[in-house]
Amino acid sequence: DTEVTQTPKHLVMGMTNKKSLKCEQHMGHRAMYWYKQKAKKPPELMFVYSYEKLSINESVPSRFSPECPNSSLLNLHLHALQPEDSALYLCASSQVIRGMWGASGNTIYFGEGSWLTVV
Amino acid sequence: DAKTTQPNSMESNEEEPVHLPCNHSTISGTDYIHWYRQLPSQGPEYVIHGLTSNVNNRMASLAIAEDRKSSTLILHRATLRDAAVYYCTLSGGSNYKLTFGKGTLLTVNP
Repeated sequence: DTEVTQTPKHLVMGMTNKKSLKCEQHMGHRAMYWYKQKAKKPPELMFVYSYEKLSINESVPSRFSPECPNSSLLNLHLHALQPEDSALYLCASSQVIRGMWGASGNTIYFGEGSWLTVV
Repeated sequence: DAKTTQPNSMESNEEEPVHLPCNHSTISGTDYIHWYRQLPSQGPEYVIHGLTSNVNNRMASLAIAEDRKSSTLILHRATLRDAAVYYCTLSGGSNYKLTFGKGTLLTVNP
């Protein structure tokens, strides 16, 4: 099983709403990632969790709040978003090798993404 | 972070080989070269990676220049299903963070 599952596939939310994106993997990976992808642009790293602890926050606004409740799950809580936050949000996972997450001799597996529209 | 430069787009015919180039002149000695592709409405998919030597797998081949300042992804026989954006990426630093470049949109003609 080499799948990263993301729900929901599509989400429309108002600027005052609170919603969450969910991600699940059962590959035994101990590193999980959130990327954001705007239309016709490459994915941009937002957060990295390693062994359920936040390792990287790429200066993401606090209206995005990640959570890693266990080694298989990763959430992204959304609150007071702006229309410019509309994008494809990608979850990914990978092994941690020699204490390092990321892509050394390592494959990062991506989910299909959650399309978010903020109205 | 070291950067990659790829052509914005390339075109190929079905069942012909495709050579996708990537320049990474500021690559450091410990940076890995990864290729991912993204089909329409899907997340990125791993294709291949390497450090110094050429690499082959069931999907593609990766040819790395001797000075490592460039690489080429080779699809031996393009199919319509290979139409995608191909990202040449470098991973490095203390945790081998994967940073995507702009990518090459590959169109495959029947």
